[in-house]
Amino acid sequence: EIVLTQSPGTLSLSPGERATLSCRASQSVSNNYLAWYQQKPGQAPRLLIYGAGTRAPGIPDRFSGGGSGTDFTLTISRLDPEDFALYYCQHFGSSPTFGQGTKVEIK
Amino acid sequence: EVQLLESGGGLVQPGGSLRLSCAVSGFTFSSYALSWVRQAPGKGLEWVSAIGGSGDTTYYADSVKGRFTISRDNSKSTLYLHMNSLRAEDTAVYYCVSSPGFGGSNPFPFDYWGQGTQVTVSS
Repeated sequence: EIVLTQSPGTLSLSPGERATLSCRASQSVSNNYLAWYQQKPGQAPRLLIYGAGTRAPGIPDRFSGGGSGTDFTLTISRLDPEDFALYYCQHFGSSPTFGQGTKVEIK
Repeated sequence: EVQLLESGGGLVQPGGSLRLSCAVSGFTFSSYALSWVRQAPGKGLEWVSAIGGSGDTTYYADSVKGRFTISRDNSKSTLYLHMNSLRAEDTAVYYCVSSPGFGGSNPFPFDYWGQGTQVTVSS
């Protein structure tokens, strides 16, 4: 099982700022089977990015993903008020695992 | 519009059983793998179980193997999760999620999620 560790635990930023979230895997993630999800309070998660860098349909281009091997990042180029939420990375192999999450909060 | 609607959650005593259902609409049901993902109160996400489009292949997290059974009825576009020997640590919101494929040589992420159903295991 691949263990995913996200950092930081909480990111305090202002609207318009750039957010960079990190996800580190305990072993190399083959074929970039890595995805990012956003979850707002009381809502189900929503797929943002998969294959490390492909945006899901309807996701704004201020969201981008990168990385390979064991180190991946989610970048939000300019934070919109609706972007303050929890973010999870996921390895979507035959035994999917999630990171523990990064909370992006308003500073 | 894709919709996944879970039902069947509730309060159950430790050692008890529960069956969750997920009614799906908006895509060709048999073409999609389906999973259950849970989230304990204030905690992160945990994948629980998955089933292939035809229902022939199933997968389980170690934490539920031998206690939970996933199944699907493609004629009714419905996914199920039969939960036995429930424990306090099974308390969570259970989400029904879809993906174009699961495991194997070409896995996919979870593209659609239901709103979840609450399962509480307590005496």
